[in-house]
Amino acid sequence: QVQLVESGGGVVQPGRSLRLSCAASGFTSSNYGMHWVRQAPGKGLEWVAGISYDGRNKYYADSVKGRFTISRDNSKNTLYLQVNSLRTEDTAVYYCAKDRAAAYMDVWGQGTTVTVSS
Amino acid sequence: QLVLTQSPSASASLGGSVKLTCTLSSGHSSYAIAWHQQQPEKGPRYLMKVNSDGSHSKGDGIPDRFSVSSSGAERYLTISSLQSEDEADYYCQTWATGIQVFGGGTKLTVL
Repeated sequence: QVQLVESGGGVVQPGRSLRLSCAASGFTSSNYGMHWVRQAPGKGLEWVAGISYDGRNKYYADSVKGRFTISRDNSKNTLYLQVNSLRTEDTAVYYCAKDRAAAYMDVWGQGTTVTVSS
Repeated sequence: QLVLTQSPSASASLGGSVKLTCTLSSGHSSYAIAWHQQQPEKGPRYLMKVNSDGSHSKGDGIPDRFSVSSSGAERYLTISSLQSEDEADYYCQTWATGIQVFGGGTKLTVL
């Protein structure tokens, strides 16, 4: 079945970096755009970044622009999010999601937790 | 600015029905939106997409108890025959070139 599995989260100090991964299965991921969405503790969903099916177009929320980089390796069916210069306010569960028609998200992963703390 | 507004909370009785509202910001009343459900301690799940004319599409395996509609800048999600597992947070989402926007979410309590 269609599945997205995130990994790479952890506890990191402010200013450090992490690379999150999202492994896709059950569909041809190279045909679809993908997104990262995060959820801070007790808060709502916040879109972080999106990437086109071929990786040529990338989009970011203002809150992460210049610090986060979205990328993909279609040969490995994997989506990435490089998160640099982490701040305490980046503490959240990070979800990857499959894009439908360059519009909404129709498949979600279970998330990976990033905690930024000294 | 593209903004979605949702009431923070709603409640309804087991077996009853509830209508959740998502309101598009001024100038964006023609936009489609998608509804997502997030049960406690779980990742979100896509429910349905609804266009401004009320036409819609449904996610895989979503029961017929879930329906959507539109009126002006408002988009609705109606859940009938409420079950305990419907107690969850419900988010609406919309999009434009290069941006995705979520509403603040509505926490639904099933009494």
